[in-house]
Amino acid sequence: GESVGLHLPTLSVQEGDNSIINCAYSNSASDYFIWYKQESGKGPQFIIDIRSNMDKRQGQRVTVLLNKTVKHLSLQIAATQPGDSAVYFCAENRGSDYKLSFGAGTTVTVRA
Amino acid sequence: DVKVTQSSRYLVKRTGEKVFLECVQDMDHENMFWYRQDPGLGLRLIYFSYDVKMKEKGDIPEGYSVSREKKERFSLILESASTNQTSMYLCASSPPASGRGEQYFGPGTRLTVT
Repeated sequence: GESVGLHLPTLSVQEGDNSIINCAYSNSASDYFIWYKQESGKGPQFIIDIRSNMDKRQGQRVTVLLNKTVKHLSLQIAATQPGDSAVYFCAENRGSDYKLSFGAGTTVTVRA
Repeated sequence: DVKVTQSSRYLVKRTGEKVFLECVQDMDHENMFWYRQDPGLGLRLIYFSYDVKMKEKGDIPEGYSVSREKKERFSLILESASTNQTSMYLCASSPPASGRGEQYFGPGTRLTVT
């Protein structure tokens, strides 16, 4: 079936380095993508989103890249900090309603 | 700030019990959602509602029902709890003009069925 997936379930990053979290999707009809961050004991929080008519979008220390040709989405975190340790989820909106389809998540651990 | 609250952070119930999970949002959002979160599976949609008294099945509705009698409140009901319903349950809400994506989540309820 069609699904959103992440390439790696875990990622260990040295503090100060840049992080790249990848996500593959298979539904070419998806037109909206979103990244969430979930810290331990909390619900997911919005990080950044991107529409299918864009290739790149930047936020504060984060950049989302969308490659529709290979159906790939990535989240880049600049100068990773200990507070960035969390589970990161990508999600896609596959149609005209308000439902999101989530990937399995990548757990990011920042090493001091 | 949008606030989504869930009635319990932790809940332990016995097999066969009827379980109610309550969710309240304070931002007058039309859309509300219930997910369950399991390791390695991400978030899976159980039910959602886009208006009072309206509901639609998500990807895994079996064993669950919902109720939306007021705009701010969305309840998830486990008619007869089973051990395979042990999970983290997350409620979310979104306004219709959110770009069809951004949802605001509550802190979650960790339910254990013994």
